[in-house]
Amino acid sequence: SQTIHQWPATLVQPVGSPLSLECTVEGTSNPNLYWYRQAAGRGLQLLFYSVGIGQISSEVPQNLSASRPQDRQFILSSKKLLLSDSGFYLCAWSRTDLSPLHFGNGTRLTVT
Amino acid sequence: GESVGLHLPTLSVQEGDNSIINCAYSNSASDYFIWYKQESGKGPQFIIDIRSNMDKRQGQRVTVLLNKTVKHLSLQIAATQPGDSAVYFCAEKRNSNYQLIWGAGTKLIIKP
Repeated sequence: SQTIHQWPATLVQPVGSPLSLECTVEGTSNPNLYWYRQAAGRGLQLLFYSVGIGQISSEVPQNLSASRPQDRQFILSSKKLLLSDSGFYLCAWSRTDLSPLHFGNGTRLTVT
Repeated sequence: GESVGLHLPTLSVQEGDNSIINCAYSNSASDYFIWYKQESGKGPQFIIDIRSNMDKRQGQRVTVLLNKTVKHLSLQIAATQPGDSAVYFCAEKRNSNYQLIWGAGTKLIIKP
């Protein structure tokens, strides 16, 4: 069976510090990978999407970047965090464009 | 712009009764719809999906109904249990577009 791991679960970082959130998927190959952000009590906003190693599509211009160094690894980064980067970050994978997304348990990021 | 939305932000249901959560979508070209359940502090969990060539699909205690004429999607939960308490999101997608369009979410509260 497939599993998705996302860490850390919670993170408190000062403004201006770097960020690296990691996500890995097990039990499948060549998945579509996604990074979402969710504001409190709101829906999900797609940040980045990847169909393969080194292929990243960005949906929202912002202070964040994503990389896919390996088939089942997806990393969300920032060089300098802003207060507005606080939120709940979710990694997800899917087999195809028309199959369900399966989410990790998220990282609660607080920028202080 | 095109969007998926929910009629009710909060739904209170007596334990043991059936729950119906509704969702409206505006893009008639959407051909894939998904329901997710999100518990507090966790990532969304896939419940059930339906393609536009169907009008009904059943899972374990859940049924999704799709009415393309009025662009309406609903999730029915039979014999609601305390563990069903969560926020429920609908999402839609067009075949040519990898991005899921998410509704705002409905919070389901189970009364003992």
